[in-house]
Parts: sequence; structure tokens; C-alpha cells
Amino acid sequence: ETGVTQSPTHLIKTRGQQVTLRCSSQSGHNTVSWYQQALGQGPQFIFQYYREEENGRGNFPPRFSGLQFPNYSSELNVNALELDDSALYLCASSFSGLSSGNTIYFGEGSWLTVV
Amino acid sequence: QKEVEQNSGPLSVPEGAIASLNCTYSDRVSQSFFWYRQYSGKSPELIMSIYSNGDKEDGRFTAQLNKASQYVSLLIRDSQPSDSATYLCAVISGTYKYIFGTGTRLKVLA
Repeated sequence: ETGVTQSPTHLIKTRGQQVTLRCSSQSGHNTVSWYQQALGQGPQFIFQYYREEENGRGNFPPRFSGLQFPNYSSELNVNALELDDSALYLCASSFSGLSSGNTIYFGEGSWLTVV
Repeated sequence: QKEVEQNSGPLSVPEGAIASLNCTYSDRVSQSFFWYRQYSGKSPELIMSIYSNGDKEDGRFTAQLNKASQYVSLLIRDSQPSDSATYLCAVISGTYKYIFGTGTRLKVLA
């Protein structure tokens, strides 16, 4: 158990819809990052939040957006869902987003299926 | 060239043997390296981190790092069927972005 909790664990959406995924970080952690893991692939970095601001982003379109709240919890929002968005979405928390070597700990993930 | 490369496997080893998992990376300035284990249908869990050249041991696991060759490996001694999983190698790019390989699937045969 990493202390990182995500919800919902599974959901099915229709193409074109919007989805919000939620994450509570581990106690004492102030940084949250989100990853997308397609079947048979490694996790791909979406973005990271530190002190309620996005401070890094991977190669994902603007329809992927997020928020971090004062209690360090976070949301991932995906608009205009496409079939290729079907994946496991992983939230990871760590302490401090500004120095290298920070170890990230994953939550259990949210399985999203787009039909 | 992929940033982090792993053989997808499956790598099959008999119970009690040593499993050797390998990973190469392309960013020469990378300083932080990690191994995660992922069971089917579950999220990745951290096994080990390594930052300096050489070996780092933790129980049955040993991580090896060679920055000159841009090579990281994970050895699992006395492999058990419960070690059967996909092992992900990860490298930090820049200050915070983790780059993962596609993982090596390990099968430990009882």
C-alpha cells in the first residue's frame, strides 16, 4: 500500500464524452503526476503538479488537463474522449517536484474504457 | 531510438534460479534509475532505486548501474513463482519526468 488513492477504479465512457479522475496523494507528499499506460506499454508521463501549478507536461494534447488542490489531491480531466484514450491512468505522488531523484509511488489506477 | 529499452520477453527461469533483467537508456545525463514490478491488472510498485555506478542490494534483489554503458540491470536471486510479473525500468529525464521502458515479462516456473 502506497497511501495513494484513486477513484474511480473502473469506468466506461462513450467517445466524445468527458471524464474526471481523482487522486489523493500520500501523506507528506506535495507533488502529483499522472501517467497513461496503454495495454502492453510502459506508463507515459502526462503532467505533474506542484504547489497547485502544472510544472511539466508530456506529449499529450490540451484536452488532457488537471488540477491540484491545497490538500495536494489532484484531478485529471480528459475532454472529447477518443477510443485511443482507453488505458490505465496512474496517479503518482512524491515529495517536492523541483529536484531530481524524487521517488514516485503509484496509486492503484483508474481503468478507462472508451467505446 | 527509444529512450528506455527493455526486452519484452517473456523471460522464463526455473524456481530458485537467478533472473537477470536488462535495460538501456539513451539520455547520458540521467542520474536516477528505478525498477518497478507490475502484476497483471495492477499498478506498478517500486522495487529499487539506484543513483550511483555499481551494485545495490536489497534482499533477493540487486540493481546494477553502469552509466558509461548507459545500462541498468536487475538481478533476482532465488526466483519464486510469486516473482512472475512485468518489470519496468524507469529513468528520470530532466528533473522530474519518468521515462519508462515497455517492461520485461518474467515467468518463474515451479
